[in-house]
Amino acid sequence: QVQLQESGPGLVKPSETLSLICTVSGGSISSYYWSWIRQPAGKGLEWIGRSGSTNYNPSLKSRVTMSVDTSKNQFSLKLNSVTAADTAVYYCARDLGGYENWFDPWGQGTLVTVSS
Amino acid sequence: QSVLTQPPSVSGAPGQGVTISCTGRSSNIGAGYAVHWYQQLPGTAPKLLIYGNSNRPSGVPDRFSGSKSGTSASLAITGLQAEDEADYYCQSYDSSLSGYVFGTGTKVTVL
Repeated sequence: QVQLQESGPGLVKPSETLSLICTVSGGSISSYYWSWIRQPAGKGLEWIGRSGSTNYNPSLKSRVTMSVDTSKNQFSLKLNSVTAADTAVYYCARDLGGYENWFDPWGQGTLVTVSS
Repeated sequence: QSVLTQPPSVSGAPGQGVTISCTGRSSNIGAGYAVHWYQQLPGTAPKLLIYGNSNRPSGVPDRFSGSKSGTSASLAITGLQAEDEADYYCQSYDSSLSGYVFGTGTKVTVL
């Protein structure tokens, strides 16, 4: 059974780069696609993008970089020039790919706060 | 950036049923893209509840059902139980945004 775990700094200063890693266990990272999704406190979900591709949310595309490290079974998210609006719980999730894609399973999420 | 609209809240007594709507447009649900539903219990990550408009993953009770018609989709919960109190989100693909979109979310309260 595939499980995902996010890790990274919980506090990032404005204008700096947010960096998160998602570690996949119970399956090979090469077998699927993987996405990042975020949720500001008390608000809804926002898809950020798919690792291993340039398929990103257009509203965030200019600030996002994603990559996959198959040797470590990990994928990562970098979001640069962050502001307080980027404060959110960040989730990683398995992504089946294609237009009909759904996300399952999800990691437990990690809170990232942007503040000086 | 939610382009899928859901009612903010719905409620029902234990044992009753509720329905949550998810209204999209011609570039997402209306274009034929599948709708999926997630349940988010307080303080936890979302969990897949319905995929491909009406399919339940293994382990999801048959009290939960999904449907789609035109530019809208619906999630029905029958026989409400206390543990169904959660936030529910729909999700689809939007061709004009070239990405996946989520609904605004609906809080279900069991009275």
